[in-house]
Amino acid sequence: EVQLGESGGGLVKPGGSLRLSCAASGFSISNYNMNWVRQAPGKGLEWVSAISPSSTYIYYADSVKGRFTISRDDAKNSLYLQMSSLRAEDTAVYYCARDYSNSLKGDSWGQGTLVTVSS
Amino acid sequence: QSVLTQPSSVSAAPGQKVTISCSGSSSNIGKNYVAWYQQFPGTAPKLLIYENNKRPSGIPDRFSGSKSGTSATLDITGLQTGDEADYYCGTWDSSLSAWVFGGGTKLTVL
Repeated sequence: EVQLGESGGGLVKPGGSLRLSCAASGFSISNYNMNWVRQAPGKGLEWVSAISPSSTYIYYADSVKGRFTISRDDAKNSLYLQMSSLRAEDTAVYYCARDYSNSLKGDSWGQGTLVTVSS
Repeated sequence: QSVLTQPSSVSAAPGQKVTISCSGSSSNIGKNYVAWYQQFPGTAPKLLIYENNKRPSGIPDRFSGSKSGTSATLDITGLQTGDEADYYCGTWDSSLSAWVFGGGTKLTVL
């Protein structure tokens, strides 16, 4: 069974940093595009970043470009999101999501981890 | 401001049909496949429709999708109270190089 599990969320002060992890099981992430998608409280889905196999292609939403860094460790079957210069508007539940293919995005999602940016 | 436009809410009675629209542009819906996601409060989104009109295994055929030009539609027939959820359309935007979503539609089954 395909499973994704996020961790690393928590309370952080504005300007601070946090590293999220997404552990995959039931499949090897090495073959798949992986994404981070967030959802602010009471709001809709917002894509954050994507990374292709071998990290050949990496994309970021304009809202996080220059502050967040996506990475993957295929040996650990894990995806990461390093977040820095955090702002209040980064407060959200962060989900990792797999693309089964370029035409089938978000076929599997983790349960999410909450990041709260507040003083 | 979402790149894709959805109605904020729709409602219908049990057993009826509801249609949720998703409007985009030539760089996203006009060029790429559309997917639909279902999300219940406090849970992760779940893939409902992919490649415009295909259902993952386990999704009932009461759910169907279509695409025409720069718009897409999700139809739900034989509404059940258990269908009450938020529904999001999503696709890749080739100009933005970004996965874009609609703002979400809250379905109420009256």
